Amino acid sequence: EPEVTQTPSHQVTQMGQEVILRCVPISNHLYFYWYRQILGQKVEFLVSFYNNEISEKSEIFDDQFSVERPDGSNFTLKIRSTKLEDSAMYFCASSESAGGVYEQYFGPGTRLTVT
Amino acid sequence: EDQVTQSPEALRLQEGESSSLNCSYTVSGLRGLFWYRQDPGKGPEFLFTLYSAGEEKEKERLKATLTKKESFLHITAPKPEDSATYLCAVHYSGGYNKLIFGAGTRLAVHP
Repeated sequence: EPEVTQTPSHQVTQMGQEVILRCVPISNHLYFYWYRQILGQKVEFLVSFYNNEISEKSEIFDDQFSVERPDGSNFTLKIRSTKLEDSAMYFCASSESAGGVYEQYFGPGTRLTVT
Repeated sequence: EDQVTQSPEALRLQEGESSSLNCSYTVSGLRGLFWYRQDPGKGPEFLFTLYSAGEEKEKERLKATLTKKESFLHITAPKPEDSATYLCAVHYSGGYNKLIFGAGTRLAVHP
């Protein structure tokens, strides 16, 4: 069964450093997302991406964040200068299309720890 | 204001003891309501999509229903392996394709 994969599973970084979180969405999916979940809190939407551009972003997704689809399979989230409050689980998700209501399938997550 | 509220926050059941989890929502223009299961340290695992009031979906011991204001996830004769956090999320017409999640219900099923 196709699944979303994410690497690394755990990333430890120092405050102010740049991190790149990687995702491989399900191969025939066209719509990609990043969500995050701070420990003990709700899953929160960060950004959606379709046709090589951002289609929507939340207030959390400020200038420190960027996303990219560098090739036909990978989808990345970059945080330029990490802060302590960026520590969270980051989930990538993908869906088949964008025109209707489609299920979003989530990856296993990357646990980001900023020290 | 909370758009998606789940109750109870936590639920402890004995194996075989059926119960229901609630998800109430206040968004307008609901396009879909999703149920996910999340195990500790893992990503949400898709369970069901409900599109309109009156709709029901079933999978093994789980049954999801939808009204105009809320959804229920009924668990019949649960087993310890059903222990997880169950998340509800909504997709609404003003939100493009993003999902708004509730805080989840932590379910523990004891033998």
